[in-house]
Amino acid sequence: SQKIEQNSEALNIQEGKTATLTCNYTNYSPAYLQWYRQDPGRGPVFLLLIRENEKEKRKERLKVTFDTTLKQSLFHITASQPADSATYLCGYGGSQGNLIFGKGTKLSVKP
Amino acid sequence: KAGVTQTPRYLIKTRGQQVTLSCSPISGHRSVSWYQQTPGQGLQFLFEYFSETQRNKGNFPGRFSGRQFSNSRSEMNVSTLELGDSALYLCASSSTTSGGAADTQYFGPGTRLTVL
Repeated sequence: SQKIEQNSEALNIQEGKTATLTCNYTNYSPAYLQWYRQDPGRGPVFLLLIRENEKEKRKERLKVTFDTTLKQSLFHITASQPADSATYLCGYGGSQGNLIFGKGTKLSVKP
Repeated sequence: KAGVTQTPRYLIKTRGQQVTLSCSPISGHRSVSWYQQTPGQGLQFLFEYFSETQRNKGNFPGRFSGRQFSNSRSEMNVSTLELGDSALYLCASSSTTSGGAADTQYFGPGTRLTVL
C-alpha cells in the first residue's frame, strides 16, 4: 500500500540552528509533495509544495528538496526560532486522488 | 476571505450514539475533504466532496458518511459511535476546479470528538 513515513517523531534543536525533517515514501511515485505546519489545537497550515521535476523550493527561511531516486523529501528551517516549534506534516497526492500524510514530526526549538 | 469554519469545536458523545459535524469552506472553494486525526494513526483521509458529489473515499467503515450542499457546505455523520472514533475531525477546502483532494488543502480548526 502507499505509505509515507516521517523519520522522527520528535526533534529538539537549539535556536539559530538549522532544523532538518525527513519524509520518505514507498510503493508510489508522487507527482508532488506538500509540507504543512500544525500547532496544538489547530488545523494544519500549508507551507510549501514541491513537484517531481523540482529539486528544491524555497520560501523565506524554509527550504524543501525532493529526491525521486531516494524517494525522499527534506524540509529545512534555517536560523530556527522558538516560534517555529510545531508539528510538521508531509503529504502527497495518492493514486486515488487523496492526500496521504505522514504522522508528523514535532519540532521543539529551545532558546 | 474568511477561513474554513467547523462546528461544533468540541463534542462529547456516548457509545452507540450518532453525531453530525459541519464544515463551511472558504468562499469559492467547491472541494471539501474530511480527515480523522489520532495520535496513533496520524491524519487519515475520510472522503472528498466536489460539487455535491463524493469523489474520493478513504478506508473507513460505512458508519462514516458525508454530504455536500449546493453552497459547498459539508456535513459528516458518524453513526453507532465507538470508543475508537474519539479523534480530531478536520475539514479542508481546496480551490481545485476538477476535484481531487491532492491539491493544496486549507484546513479548519477541527472538531474534537470524545466518545465515552
